[in-house]
Amino acid sequence: QKEVEQNSGPLSVPEGAIASLNCTYSDRGSQSFFWYRQYSGKSPELIMFIYSNGDKEDGRFTAQLNKASQYVSLLIRDSQPSDSATYLCAVRLYNFNKFYFGSGTKLNVKP
Amino acid sequence: EPEVTQTPSHQVTQMGQEVILRCVPISNHLYFYWYRQILGQKVEFLVSFYNNEISEKSEIFDDQFSVERPDGSNFTLKIRSTKLEDSAMYFCASREPSQYSPLHFGNGTRLTVT
Repeated sequence: QKEVEQNSGPLSVPEGAIASLNCTYSDRGSQSFFWYRQYSGKSPELIMFIYSNGDKEDGRFTAQLNKASQYVSLLIRDSQPSDSATYLCAVRLYNFNKFYFGSGTKLNVKP
Repeated sequence: EPEVTQTPSHQVTQMGQEVILRCVPISNHLYFYWYRQILGQKVEFLVSFYNNEISEKSEIFDDQFSVERPDGSNFTLKIRSTKLEDSAMYFCASREPSQYSPLHFGNGTRLTVT
């Protein structure tokens, strides 16, 4: 069974700190990895995606992928209260169209 | 920036009635999806659509569900005989044909079945 696992949280960090969000996946055929942010009652909003091992940076966000450990993470530097949301990890397998979503990690950034 | 648009934003219907949820994907996207999210739960895959046919569907997507691309812009999800447990947020998404392209979601339709 193809699964994407995330700690549900909540993860609480003070404003200005680094928030670290983690995701593991079960299928080694996973090809591309995505982080979405979802505010309550809203749709998922793409933050960034990664498909090669290593780090990928975009502004305050860094995605890290380790395919050997089947692990993908998202770091948020200089966390702001506006970053408070649920962060969804999604995975797409090679040769499939479907994206599998984790249950999300709720992040609280305290002023 | 181009976006996926969904209508209506909220639909209330009685159990047993048919509903049609509508979506206009981003114009140069070729892959289309429906996902749903029951309140407090994860985003669940329903169906993907490419080249005018279903490419994958989940076990949730049974005979009461159907999808259609009636013209060059709209993509619809029909639920034939709604049940109470169909109450959820339904998201349409689309993506470019490239290998690593992400999903872009619409704002969703909140379906309430009474």
